[in-house]
Amino acid sequence: SQTIHQWPATLVQPVGSPLSLECTVEGTSNPNLYWYRQAAGRGLQLLFYSVGIGQISSEVPQNLSASRPQDRQFILSSKKLLLSDSGFYLCAWSITEAFFGQGTRLTVV
Amino acid sequence: GENVEQHPSTLSVQEGDSAVIKCTYSDSASNYFPWYKQELGKRPQLIIDIRSNVGEKKDQRIAVTLNKTAKHFSLHITETQPEDSAVYFCAASDANTGNQFYFGTGTSLTVIP
Repeated sequence: SQTIHQWPATLVQPVGSPLSLECTVEGTSNPNLYWYRQAAGRGLQLLFYSVGIGQISSEVPQNLSASRPQDRQFILSSKKLLLSDSGFYLCAWSITEAFFGQGTRLTVV
Repeated sequence: GENVEQHPSTLSVQEGDSAVIKCTYSDSASNYFPWYKQELGKRPQLIIDIRSNVGEKKDQRIAVTLNKTAKHFSLHITETQPEDSAVYFCAASDANTGNQFYFGTGTSLTVIP
């Protein structure tokens, strides 16, 4: 069966520090991969979408970047975090159905 | 690309009443419409889905209806309970091609005891 792993679950980082969130999928090949950000009680803001290795589309100009070095690995990064980067980050994968990772609660202080 | 709109953004109902959340989509190629429930601090989880070859699907207290002609689909929760309080998301995709999933903006449902 397919599973998705996202880590860490929580993260507190100072302003100006780098960020790396990782997501891996097991049990499937060539999935579509997504990074979303969610403000408290709000909707899903699509940040990045990938259909394959090295193929990433950015939906919103921002302080973040994404990479897909392997078929089932998706990484969200920042060189210098801003206060406004705080939020709940969700990784997801889809082929004929879509599933979410557990999420990462990022607090930038 | 696809555009999915979801209404209302917030919904409060008394326990035992019904709740209805509506979504519209723009791309006639979309043929798979799932609904997700997200409890506070948790990941969205699939609760029910419908494909374009059927008009309605039920699973105990929840049901989803689809109107392909009008390009809208709805989630119906009957006999609501406090544990139904959550954020609900609709989505649309073309399951035949495995293309991108497009999510609605979410509905925050509160069931008042």
